[in-house]
Amino acid sequence: DAKTTQPTSMDCAEGRAANLPCNHSTISGNEYVYWYRQIHSQGPQYIIHGLKNNETNEMASLIITEDRKSSTLILPHATLRDTAVYYCIVRVGNNQGGKLIFGQGTELSVKP
Amino acid sequence: KAGVTQTPRYLIKTRGQQVTLSCSPISGHRSVSWYQQTPGQGLQFLFEYFSETQRNKGNFPGRFSGRQFSNSRSEMNVSTLELGDSALYLCASSLNLEGFLQYFGPGTRLTVT
Repeated sequence: DAKTTQPTSMDCAEGRAANLPCNHSTISGNEYVYWYRQIHSQGPQYIIHGLKNNETNEMASLIITEDRKSSTLILPHATLRDTAVYYCIVRVGNNQGGKLIFGQGTELSVKP
Repeated sequence: KAGVTQTPRYLIKTRGQQVTLSCSPISGHRSVSWYQQTPGQGLQFLFEYFSETQRNKGNFPGRFSGRQFSNSRSEMNVSTLELGDSALYLCASSLNLEGFLQYFGPGTRLTVT
C-alpha cells in the first residue's frame, strides 16, 4: 500500500502558485519523498525529490516539514499544461531497486 | 538522448491469447521496470530487471512474466489473457538499481476482448 495521503483533486488559477500537500506520517529516516506527475494518457514524469532539506529545480519546489511527516510540492506559476495527476511517493534510497508504489495522487486542474 | 520507447503503442487481443510487449530503455540505463495502470487499481508495479536478472517483483500472477536482454531492452509477456488485463502497460528505465530517477515511456494500451 502507498505510504502517502494526498487530496483527491485541487484547482488552481493559471499564473498562480499551485501548492500540493502530501502526508507521509510513517516515513522512515532513510526514505526519500518523490513527486511524479502524469499528464493524461502519458507516462509519469519525474518532478523532484528530497530527503530532509527543501529542494528546488526548474520545474518545482519541494518543502518538507522539519518532522518529515508531510511535504508540499509548489509549482510557482501554474500553466494549463500543468494540469495532471500528481503523485507523492516515499521510498528508500538504496540499491534495492526502483520499485515505486503509487497512490491515487492529486488531480490538479489549472483553469484560465 | 532518445527517451524510453515502447512497442506497440496499441494492441487488441482476445481472451485466452498471449501478448508480448517491448521496451527499449534510455541509452546507458540498465534498470527496466514495468507497471500496469488501470482505472480501478491505479499504477501498480509488476517487476524490475537489472543486468538481465529480475530484481523486484510485484503481486501479480505467474501469467505475467518478463525478461531483459544484454542490451538492456526488456519484454514482458502475459499469457492466457483475461478481460481484466486490459490496461496501460508502462515501462520505466533508470541508470542503475538506486532508481532515483525513473523515466517512463508512453505505454502500451492493451485491450482484451
